Amino acid sequence: GIQVEQSPPDLILQEGANSTLRCNFSDSVNNLQWFHQNPWGQLINLFYIPSGTKQNGRLSATTVATERYSLLYISSSQTTDSGVYFCAVGFSGNTPLVFGKGTRLSVIA
Amino acid sequence: DGGITQSPKYLFRKEGQNVTLSCEQNLNHDAMYWYRQDPGQGLRLIYYSQIVNDFQKGDIAEGYSVSREKKESFPLTVTSAQKNPTAFYLCASSIARGETQYFGPGTRLLVL
Repeated sequence: GIQVEQSPPDLILQEGANSTLRCNFSDSVNNLQWFHQNPWGQLINLFYIPSGTKQNGRLSATTVATERYSLLYISSSQTTDSGVYFCAVGFSGNTPLVFGKGTRLSVIA
Repeated sequence: DGGITQSPKYLFRKEGQNVTLSCEQNLNHDAMYWYRQDPGQGLRLIYYSQIVNDFQKGDIAEGYSVSREKKESFPLTVTSAQKNPTAFYLCASSIARGETQYFGPGTRLLVL
């Protein structure tokens, strides 16, 4: 079946550090979204990025669809960046999103 | 403010009982979704709806039922046939299927 793998599963950072989160997927995609889930469970959409590069403040994302991976960059991390980051992909046509298991990020002051 | 609301925040179910989780959106979105999240896991799709009066099963629909009588509302019923219902339930919507999804705050369901 469809595989979405995220790495690393857990990450601990000192405040101010930079990090890169990776999402690998097993098939061609026409839909890729990154989400942040805060400690209270709320999911916020960060990027809709089936290909190319986007930036929003300290966050940026790059998807290389031909090589089947996406990267989420967090610069100058803050304690409020803590939580779980999910990658979700949609494949041919308008199939529903398939979520990875997430990367749990803890930013320590 | 536009957004997605879910209620209740916490729900307790007794053995053999059906319970209904509410999801309402005022974003004028056509597509709505229900996901289940278990501890330490990603989200799994239960049901989705692309338009009023239409819905499709997701990966784990057994033991659940939905309705979509209004564009704004997509309630989920957890039936007694769902033997392991304890989980965090998330509702989402998007302008259309395949577009950016926006999530509600979730409902935590616990079995007594």
